[in-house]
Amino acid sequence: ETGVTQSPTHLIKTRGQQVTLRCSSQSGHNTVSWYQQALGQGPQFIFQYYREEENGRGNFPPRFSGLQFPNYSSELNVNALELDDSALYLCASSLDWGYTEAFFGQGTRLTVV
Amino acid sequence: DQQVKQNSPSLSVQEGRISILNCDYTNSMFDYFLWYKKYPAEGPTFLISISSIKDKNEDGRFTVFLNKSAKHLSLHIVPSQPGDSAVYFCAAKDTNTDKLIFGTGTRLQVFP
Repeated sequence: ETGVTQSPTHLIKTRGQQVTLRCSSQSGHNTVSWYQQALGQGPQFIFQYYREEENGRGNFPPRFSGLQFPNYSSELNVNALELDDSALYLCASSLDWGYTEAFFGQGTRLTVV
Repeated sequence: DQQVKQNSPSLSVQEGRISILNCDYTNSMFDYFLWYKKYPAEGPTFLISISSIKDKNEDGRFTVFLNKSAKHLSLHIVPSQPGDSAVYFCAAKDTNTDKLIFGTGTRLQVFP
């Protein structure tokens, strides 16, 4: 059974550019959530996907968008990058909606210059 | 408005002693509370959880206590080991949205 994997591990982008981050959920898990962790802070909820539909959103602007595919893997897209978007982006998968435990990937470190 | 707070940014404990990490919350709609451990360059790893209808849950060296009247929970690690050195995050699960709300973390250092 493979865990949650994210790609790439590190990324440097220029302000104004667009970025796509990818996540493969743990085998059998149909729920994926994305979190942003700024330096010195706890992870902040961006949004959740359940069975390919967005199922909840945190306090992030519309330029943060996502997708979930039929195999339950997921993408996070960020348009018009700003310097403050520099952070660790974490993907977490759960067996089903409402399931207590969420399992995290190793994260993607995004730096916007 | 921070709904989950970890007021101690760091804690240093001698190997073999007890480590106590604390967490406070403000929202009564949380149905589960979880603790995660995070090493540098890795994602958070799930440690232990507790339902809001319980006051204690134990798993090996790890015990979580929940005091609903005080809106406070704590993680006890006994005995502490050098491999426990990491950042520990407290998280609360929102009943309605299923999202996790994290505290800012406590860095635990266990020294020999």
